[in-house]
Amino acid sequence: DAKTTQPPSMDCAEGRAANLPCNHSTISGNEYVYWYRQIHSQGPQYIIHGLKNNETNEMASLIITEDRKSSTLILPHATLRDTAVYYCIVRAVYNQGGKLIFGQGTELSVKP
Amino acid sequence: ETGVTQTPRHLVMGMTNKKSLKCEQHLGHNAMYWYKQSAKKPLELMFVYSLEERVENNSVPSRFSPECPNSSHLFLHLHTLQPEDSALYLCASSLRFTNEKLFFGSGTQLSVL
Repeated sequence: DAKTTQPPSMDCAEGRAANLPCNHSTISGNEYVYWYRQIHSQGPQYIIHGLKNNETNEMASLIITEDRKSSTLILPHATLRDTAVYYCIVRAVYNQGGKLIFGQGTELSVKP
Repeated sequence: ETGVTQTPRHLVMGMTNKKSLKCEQHLGHNAMYWYKQSAKKPLELMFVYSLEERVENNSVPSRFSPECPNSSHLFLHLHTLQPEDSALYLCASSLRFTNEKLFFGSGTQLSVL
C-alpha cells in the first residue's frame, strides 16, 4: 500500500471551509484514496473515497490531483462537531480486503 | 449509531482475571475486525474474520483469543493481560472482506491493573 503523509494538526474557524491535505506520491493505478475520521473516544467513521475523479457526498468533498500524488479533503462549512483526527488511507480495492492501515492522521481543531 | 454495538464500554480488570469483549453488528455484513488503539498511537489491526472464518491474525499474543460464532457476533476473550494491554479495543464490520468501507463500534476502553 502507498504511504501517506498528513500534517499532524490543523486549526479551522467555525463556518469556514476546512481543507485537509494528504500526500501519496507512490500511489499505484489501482489504489483508492479513503478518508476516515475519529472523534475523541469513538470509533473511526468513514467519510469518502475516490480513485481519480473528484467526489462529493453529504459529509465532504474529495479533490484528487491529476497525477494522483496528492488529495485534499474539504469540509465546506466546518462545525465544532468536526473536531476530530482525520485519516487519509491509500488502499488497493480487492487486495487483501478490509485491512485498512491507519497512520497518525491530522488532528483538526475547529474553533469558535 | 453505526449499527455496530460493543459492550462493555469500559472495563477494568486485574492481570489474573478473565473477561470477554462483545461486538454485535446489525448490518448484515460478512466480515468483522478487532482493532487496538493505544494512547497516542495509530490503530493496530488484530484479527479479521470473513464468513466466520479467521483470515488474519496480526501476531497477536495468545492472551487475546477471538471468537466469531456467527456473522453478526464477535468476541475477544482476555486472560492474564498485562498493564500495557490497556487500550481502546474497537470492533468493525464490512459488507465483505474485500470492502474497505468499515463501520466501527464505539469501542471498549480497557484498563489492566
